[in-house]
Amino acid sequence: DGGITQSPKYLFRKEGQNVTLSCEQNLNHDAMYWYRQDPGQGLRLIYYSQIVNDFQKGDIAEGYSVSREKKESFPLTVTSAQKNPTAFYLCASSYREGPSGANVLTFGAGSRLTVL
Amino acid sequence: GESVGLHLPTLSVQEGDNSIINCAYSNSASDYFIWYKQESGKGPQFIIDIRSNMDKRQGQRVTVLLNKTVKHLSLQIAATQPGDSAVYFCAEINGGYNKLIFGAGTRLAVHP
Repeated sequence: DGGITQSPKYLFRKEGQNVTLSCEQNLNHDAMYWYRQDPGQGLRLIYYSQIVNDFQKGDIAEGYSVSREKKESFPLTVTSAQKNPTAFYLCASSYREGPSGANVLTFGAGSRLTVL
Repeated sequence: GESVGLHLPTLSVQEGDNSIINCAYSNSASDYFIWYKQESGKGPQFIIDIRSNMDKRQGQRVTVLLNKTVKHLSLQIAATQPGDSAVYFCAEINGGYNKLIFGAGTRLAVHP
């Protein structure tokens, strides 16, 4: 089945630790995205990548870092600089960077990070 | 995630009734709109989309209406089923997906 796989589904972190969330897609999509979701709020864009070895900051990039060494993979690192990291993190991908024809933004199942 | 539905406006409907979920969007220049459904503990799932040159689009049991004059979007679900219970998000865009703006969402609760 083609899709986006995020892991782990649940992750606990102590304050001061960096953690990395995995996102893998086998949809042959060029563009990948990371969103943060908090209760009662819409999704907010952290980082996005339109092509391998290139990525751009989104609206709330501070305290996060990403890499895009392979087309299929777009891991997100939540660093100790992120002051309020407890949230639900969603990875998404699309064939192109914008809607065109049947090109829709497809989401993974999410990773819930809790800081202890 | 599991807590996404907290603190959101909730629409409660009886099974079999029609549901209408409303959304006000912010940017009059937005030219593409999407509705997503998010079940507890899962990622958002695409339902239906509409471009700004249309005012209505129908899918299977769902209809999206766009009123550009008042910047209003609605999702109509016919014959609502228990499986429709979820949080529904509208999203607007003008350009690439990196410019997608999501609403806060509405929780739909379907009662037997």
